[in-house]
Amino acid sequence: AQSVTQLGSHVSVSEGALVLLRCNYSSSVPPYLFWYVQYPNQGLQLLLKYTTGATLVKGINGFEAEFKKSETSFHLTKPSAHMSDAAEYFCAVSDPGSARQLTFGSGTQLTVLP
Amino acid sequence: EAGVTQFPSHSVIEKGQTVTLRCDPISGHDNLYWYRRVMGKEIKFLLHFVKESKQDESGMPNNRFLAERTGGTYSTLKVQPAELEDSGVYFCASSQGRAGLRGEQFFGPGTRLTVL
Repeated sequence: AQSVTQLGSHVSVSEGALVLLRCNYSSSVPPYLFWYVQYPNQGLQLLLKYTTGATLVKGINGFEAEFKKSETSFHLTKPSAHMSDAAEYFCAVSDPGSARQLTFGSGTQLTVLP
Repeated sequence: EAGVTQFPSHSVIEKGQTVTLRCDPISGHDNLYWYRRVMGKEIKFLLHFVKESKQDESGMPNNRFLAERTGGTYSTLKVQPAELEDSGVYFCASSQGRAGLRGEQFFGPGTRLTVL
């Protein structure tokens, strides 16, 4: 069975500071990996994904994440936080090559301080 | 192109009542998923339709939950009778084709259900 752990249910950063949201997974095979973002009163929006190939993936709004198989991690980063980045972020995994369900972490609420 | 839509956006009902949630996936998407997030917890899978067939309903909590997808278009999720622990946000997602095989799902805004 797969599981996803997001360290820190709440993270606060100052505007312009580095954003680092942590995600570790447990899976019997290397899964596909995703970060979704939920802005207030909106649905989940895909930020970025890793399926195969380059382990450093870039997403929308300046976010990127690196798949580290040896550490079973897929941490999300952004060099400089913007006020508009305030949202809840979810890491998720799925079985490769199938259209099966996503397994989510518990989410991290990002607050950006002026 | 319209995204995934869900109705209602909020529902407040009393314990023992019935509620029906609706999801309209992106047109042409064969895969439709229901997920639920209970307050403060992770988003959990409920079930997966491929067209009108239930592909996987392993996440359905009990037989008070009934999901249908007649004609392979929109889906409904009925809770009857509702219990306090059913409160949460119910998300619907859809996917199609190669993107779906890569796990890329498009989510609706969710229905917030409160059972009093």
